Amino acid sequence: GENVEQHPSTLSVQEGDSAVIKCTYSDSASNYFPWYKQELGKRPQLIIDIRSNVGEKKDQRIAVTLNKTAKHFSLHITETQPEDSAVYFCAARDSNYQLIWGAGTKLIIKP
Amino acid sequence: EAQVTQNPRYLITVTGKKLTVTCSQNMNHEYMSWYRQDPGLGLRQIYYSMNVEVTDKGDVPEGYKVSRKEKRNFPLILESPSPNQTSLYFCASSYRGREETQYFGPGTRLLVL
Repeated sequence: GENVEQHPSTLSVQEGDSAVIKCTYSDSASNYFPWYKQELGKRPQLIIDIRSNVGEKKDQRIAVTLNKTAKHFSLHITETQPEDSAVYFCAARDSNYQLIWGAGTKLIIKP
Repeated sequence: EAQVTQNPRYLITVTGKKLTVTCSQNMNHEYMSWYRQDPGLGLRQIYYSMNVEVTDKGDVPEGYKVSRKEKRNFPLILESPSPNQTSLYFCASSYRGREETQYFGPGTRLLVL
């Protein structure tokens, strides 16, 4: 079945710098890759997603890239701000329609 | 307002005392799911349901039961809770098809003594 690995587990960046979180997946049939953000004490919320027919997608300071050949996808956050501090989860949808989740990355924005 | 609700939000119980955590969504979603979240382990799926009367096991189903008698409700039942079920529980729902965003409930923090 599908397996998703996410790195790093913790990422600390200076405010204003960029942050990159990477995920790899194992099932070449996976075709949908969302990213969720979970602020402290709150529920996970979708921030961006990408489908396998697209290589990159942007939404303001957030972008996601997908490399189907290498089976990895990444979240890029530019010009980081304090409100970007959170845990970020990647996921891949398997052939049974289930989202297989990465273990999460705690992003810390240093002032 | 479109939302997923869970009750209770916090619960302290004792080993062996049956409990139910309710989940309800008002978005007419076909798909519903239960997750548990433990430090360092991310989101682990307990059970999911593709539609009414259709449920299936996720990654960690032991010790849990679910039912889907109505489209909007998907209760999680712990018949005989144990301390290793102390966790933060999330219910989520989504459409099937093009719109696939999973909407999460606010979470239920459970402590089993």
